Amino acid sequence: GENVEQHPSTLSVQEGDSAVIKCTYSDSASNYFPWYKQELGKGPQLIIDIRSNVGEKKDQRIAVTLNKTAKHFSLHITETQPEDSAVYFCAASDGNYGGSQGNLIFGKGTKLSVKP
Amino acid sequence: GAGVSQSPSNKVTEKGKDVELRCDPISGHTALYWYRQSLGQGLEFLIYFQGNSAPDKSGLPSDRFSAERTGGSVSTLTIQRTQQEDSAVYLCASSLAGLGTGELFFGEGSRLTVL
Repeated sequence: GENVEQHPSTLSVQEGDSAVIKCTYSDSASNYFPWYKQELGKGPQLIIDIRSNVGEKKDQRIAVTLNKTAKHFSLHITETQPEDSAVYFCAASDGNYGGSQGNLIFGKGTKLSVKP
Repeated sequence: GAGVSQSPSNKVTEKGKDVELRCDPISGHTALYWYRQSLGQGLEFLIYFQGNSAPDKSGLPSDRFSAERTGGSVSTLTIQRTQQEDSAVYLCASSLAGLGTGELFFGEGSRLTVL
């Protein structure tokens, strides 16, 4: 089955700096890679996702890149703000996600702290 | 409510007791997932329901864990003879899987503490 590794486990940056979180996956058949943000006491919330036919996707200060050959993908947050402080999870689909079968396997998370 | 609703939000129980955790997904969502989040750990997949298909139970850690989804809507996760290592936040999520969208909508979780 799919295995997702995420690094770093904790990340501290100064407000305004960029933050990068990296993930690797094991199943070459995986084709969907979302990123979730979890604030304290809440459930995770989708912030951006990318499918395997795309190499990069941007949404304002957030971008995700995918390297299918190397089986890794990254989250980039530019101009970080204190409200970006949260735990971020990457995930990879396990087979036919969105169809009759399918699952999401999550990384262990990165706790991002943005210092004012 | 428009979101995924979970109950109870907090549950403290004694070792050996059974517990039931409930999830009300977003209306119309065909897929429902249960995940477990232990302190400092990621989201551990437990079980997945999709429409009328047989559930994917491959993540259930032992036969003490079971889940049902009645009428394609509400789901109950049952843990029998609870152990201290079962202490965690149990998260439920639903999605429109099967219709091309991939987003999971999570509830706020049920925090289980086994004494």
